[in-house]
Amino acid sequence: SQQGEEDPQALSIQEGENATMNCSYKTSINNLQWYRQNSGRGLVHLILIRSNEREKHSGRLRVTLDTSKKSSSLLITASRAADTASYFCATAPRSGGYQKVTFGTGTKLQVIP
Amino acid sequence: DTEVTQTPKHLVMGMTNKKSLKCEQHMGHRAMYWYKQKAKKPPELMFVYSYEKLSINESVPSRFSPECPNSSLLNLHLHALQPEDSALYLCASSQDRRAPARQETQYFGPGTRLLVL
Repeated sequence: SQQGEEDPQALSIQEGENATMNCSYKTSINNLQWYRQNSGRGLVHLILIRSNEREKHSGRLRVTLDTSKKSSSLLITASRAADTASYFCATAPRSGGYQKVTFGTGTKLQVIP
Repeated sequence: DTEVTQTPKHLVMGMTNKKSLKCEQHMGHRAMYWYKQKAKKPPELMFVYSYEKLSINESVPSRFSPECPNSSLLNLHLHALQPEDSALYLCASSQDRRAPARQETQYFGPGTRLLVL
């Protein structure tokens, strides 16, 4: 399996519900980031969590990081139709430099109005 | 200005054509990236330029040739491509490592959708 796998692959929820997606990775990392991609467009940076952090919040987003399990989760609270997009985690290895980012397989989120 | 622009938005080319993709940013970023993204797949890193010098080449075939003429511009020259090279090509930029926090954040352009016939 590749560095950065996410589950579920697809998630469909009603507007107002919470959405949780998970990311697992293999190597030691400096940080983990989450990006959003609307269909066929560029990626938008959501949040970055460093390897010495366990939890981070930004608006309706909550990210956790468990380096012992090499996993992270992204929680979107009170979802909106505009949150419909694909969500990718991205890791930068501790060795190899921060520029060598690897993206996870992605979770496709659909929020139904 | 936090925008990365890419031209063209769409490109159709034959296997014998030569074309170029262009990317521009005016955020003062000194690292610029090319990614390739196939449908329903994550972006895959192709090249990284740091201070206008090629720092990472992820074993990309020579039919893809990157160029960084200055700190704001990044080109990807295409020649003798194959149909399997059809994909969305994304450009991104980030600050250099000596900048304060958030230097790892990458800012992406909207991409060029390439179709090779």
